[in-house]
Amino acid sequence: DTAVSQTPKYLVTQMGNDKSIKCEQNLGHDTMYWYKQDSKKFLKIMFSYNNKELIINETVPNRFSPKSPDKAHLNLHINSLELGDSAVYFCASSPVEIGNTIYFGEGSWLTVV
Amino acid sequence: ILNVEQSPQSLHVQEGDSTNFTCSFPSSNFYALHWYRWETAKSPEALFVMTLNGDEKKKGRISATLNTKEGYSYLYIKGSQPEDSATYLCALRNSGNTPLVFGKGTRLSVIA
Repeated sequence: DTAVSQTPKYLVTQMGNDKSIKCEQNLGHDTMYWYKQDSKKFLKIMFSYNNKELIINETVPNRFSPKSPDKAHLNLHINSLELGDSAVYFCASSPVEIGNTIYFGEGSWLTVV
Repeated sequence: ILNVEQSPQSLHVQEGDSTNFTCSFPSSNFYALHWYRWETAKSPEALFVMTLNGDEKKKGRISATLNTKEGYSYLYIKGSQPEDSATYLCALRNSGNTPLVFGKGTRLSVIA
């Protein structure tokens, strides 16, 4: 059983397209996240949702929009894709407890050509 | 800006050797430190969450220590095996509501 699953795992698309990456967690966690592994290999937070509400929105272009239809899902929509959006995007979830572990998906490799 | 530094960036050891690497972070506003093990194309796997100064945690051959006053944590691997080859990530949280801030990781290769 995959705890945090994201699809697609690999995506190659052209500049200007709109694409979505889906994420689902079956752990019953209240908080979900999107992280991006940037060109310097850092994992950086993009968004954080708690019980379907946005609580953290780091400085990302507004072409990136998260959507949380329910507590178990947090999808990432990207409009007008640019070459610089090529990266690995990780979905994650965690319970709201002190010392909480964050559980990650396997990542979605996005390549914009 | 919260800065989490890991060293060395990469490390090659022989099978059977013990090794350790470092995570450094600002000692002010500490809440929790996380260690993850990450193999390419897989999910980062949580190893430890450490919250108290002087914490020591162990999981099999892997252990970690924490010094919040001086701002560092060590990860130790005893008797390295080829399957330990991975990138080890350290991440800091400086309050209960803030996200994890990751270091770049230490890439470990264990040579049989």
